[in-house]
Amino acid sequence: GENVEQHPSTLSVQEGDSAVIKCTYSDSASNYFPWYKQELGKGPQLIIDIRSNVGEKKDQRIAVTLNKTAKHFSLHITETQPEDSAVYFCAASAVNNNDMRFGAGTRLTVKP
Amino acid sequence: SAVISQKPSRDICQRGTSLTIQCQVDSQVTMMFWYRQQPGQSLTLIATANQGSEATYESGFVIDKFPISRPNLTFSTLTVSNMSPEDSSIYLCSAAGTGSTGELFFGEGSRLTVL
Repeated sequence: GENVEQHPSTLSVQEGDSAVIKCTYSDSASNYFPWYKQELGKGPQLIIDIRSNVGEKKDQRIAVTLNKTAKHFSLHITETQPEDSAVYFCAASAVNNNDMRFGAGTRLTVKP
Repeated sequence: SAVISQKPSRDICQRGTSLTIQCQVDSQVTMMFWYRQQPGQSLTLIATANQGSEATYESGFVIDKFPISRPNLTFSTLTVSNMSPEDSSIYLCSAAGTGSTGELFFGEGSRLTVL
């Protein structure tokens, strides 16, 4: 089955700096790669996703890149703000979602 | 998107007891899932809740310990049976919508502490 690895486990940046979180996956059949943000005491919220027919996707300060050949994808947050502080999870699955697997998570801290 | 409500949001339980968590979605969804998130850890899929039939369990999870019901397209329950302290976790309900393009939505979770 799918195995998703995520790095780093913790990341601390200064407000205004950029943050990058990287994930690798093992199953070449995976074609859907979402990113979730989980704030303390809440459920994970989908913030951006990318499908295998696209190399990059951007939504305001958040962007995701995908390299299917190397089986890795990354989350980029620019101009970070304290409210970006949370745990971020990457995931990979085939579109039917039966086998969505999550990375271990990255705890991002943005220092004011 | 789908709005998912879970209850209870948290509970403290005694060893050996069972607790049922309810999950309600505000619209009909194709698929519903139950995940476990142990303290400080990632999300682990427990099972897929199948409407009108037995749930499909992942390796390491069994029906006797985690019975699941899904009587219709908007509701599911997860029971954690004969609890022990190792069952202390957040249990998350999730759903993928009809005509799904892959997005998975989560409830706020049910935080269980077993003493």
